[in-house]
Amino acid sequence: QKEVEQNSGPLSVPEGAIASLNCTYSDRGSQSFFWYRQYSGKSPELIMSIYSNGDKEDGRFTAQLNKASQYVSLLIRDSQPSDSATYLCAVNGGGTYKYIFGTGTRLKVLA
Amino acid sequence: GAVVSQHPSRVICKSGTSVKIECRSLDFQATTMFWYRQFPKQSLMLMATSNEGSKATYEQGVEKDKFLINHASLTLSTLTVTSAHPEDSSFYICSAYRISGGQPRNEQFFGPGTRLTVL
Repeated sequence: QKEVEQNSGPLSVPEGAIASLNCTYSDRGSQSFFWYRQYSGKSPELIMSIYSNGDKEDGRFTAQLNKASQYVSLLIRDSQPSDSATYLCAVNGGGTYKYIFGTGTRLKVLA
Repeated sequence: GAVVSQHPSRVICKSGTSVKIECRSLDFQATTMFWYRQFPKQSLMLMATSNEGSKATYEQGVEKDKFLINHASLTLSTLTVTSAHPEDSSFYICSAYRISGGQPRNEQFFGPGTRLTVL
């Protein structure tokens, strides 16, 4: 059973701080990794994708991938109250178009 | 960008009726689309993979005769919930798979979702 695990939270951080969200996955053959943001009552929105080991930065977001440790993380710098949402980690194993989603981490940014 | 629309956004129906939900990729072609269901405070549950021009692939436990999927064109997939009952009330979300230079650099983009309430 291929699994993606996330801490459900809530993770509370003060405004302006760095929020660190973590995700582990079980399938060593996984090739593609994604972070989605989902506001309450809305559908998920793709915010980052990463395919190679290391860091990938996009604005205030940095995704980090370590395939040896089967670990992917998302850092949000200068967190804003508008970042308060559930963040879903998704993994694609290759050979299939399906993603395996984690259960999500709820982030609360306190003003 | 990659835009996926879904219609209707909200539907209320009586028990026993059928409801059709449309999912369209507006600015790219999608040979593969996915249908998910999400209950309150729970994660996404993949229901089926919709393939253009062929039969959908359903996940274990999802009744294919109840959730009819048709992917008639490269930009449109439909989900029909047949003989809906109150337990089918949920948030139904589609996604479209955009191919960019071949795997693994392909991405799923979600539609805004359809909230179904069956009375």
